[in-house]
Amino acid sequence: NAGVTQTPKFQVLKTGQSMTLQCAQDMNHEYMSWYRQDPGMGLRLIHYSVGAGITDQGEVPNGYNVSRSTTEDFPLRLLSAAPSQTSVYFCASSEGQGPGTQYFGPGTRLLVL
Amino acid sequence: AQSVTQLGSHVSVSEGALVLLRCNYSSSVPPYLFWYVQYPNQGLQLLLKYTSAATLVKGINGFEAEFKKSETSFHLTKPSAHMSDAAEYFCAVSDWGKLIFGQGTELSVKP
Repeated sequence: NAGVTQTPKFQVLKTGQSMTLQCAQDMNHEYMSWYRQDPGMGLRLIHYSVGAGITDQGEVPNGYNVSRSTTEDFPLRLLSAAPSQTSVYFCASSEGQGPGTQYFGPGTRLLVL
Repeated sequence: AQSVTQLGSHVSVSEGALVLLRCNYSSSVPPYLFWYVQYPNQGLQLLLKYTSAATLVKGINGFEAEFKKSETSFHLTKPSAHMSDAAEYFCAVSDWGKLIFGQGTELSVKP
């Protein structure tokens, strides 16, 4: 199993550009989520999904969109990038919403100029 | 609302010394608690988790944590630090699958 994969590893955007961060998992996990990591703030939840076709907002959803058309994929879209979205983004998956382990991808480092 | 506070953004120990990373939580229900480790330029890896079974939880790489309800704490310890333990450590509480993280503690290990 590849686990949780994310692409790209690194991206530079100009303010106002759009892009999609890709996330895929091959563990047949129902629950997937996106976090952003900023220095001194730990990781904060952006959006999450409890299964295909179901998504909900986390703590910091503004400026981001998600959709979940398959169990495997959970892309994160930035519609109009802003410098405040410069961060490291992590995707995670787990079997469900219980106390199970969340498995994290390697991250995407995004710089918005 | 649930929350987590990690005391100390940076901790430095000598190789072979005790490692103690502090975590306090706030939760209105019995919590599920986690410690994750992040090595430079990598994702997060689970060290251990508490799910209301034994209060002393053993994890990977010789780490363990003790859940103390009276102190609302879940501190992470390792008896003897190794150079390879240098990393950032995150404590987290689960809110129906949504992880709420502390600010992180960077552990440095001196030779």
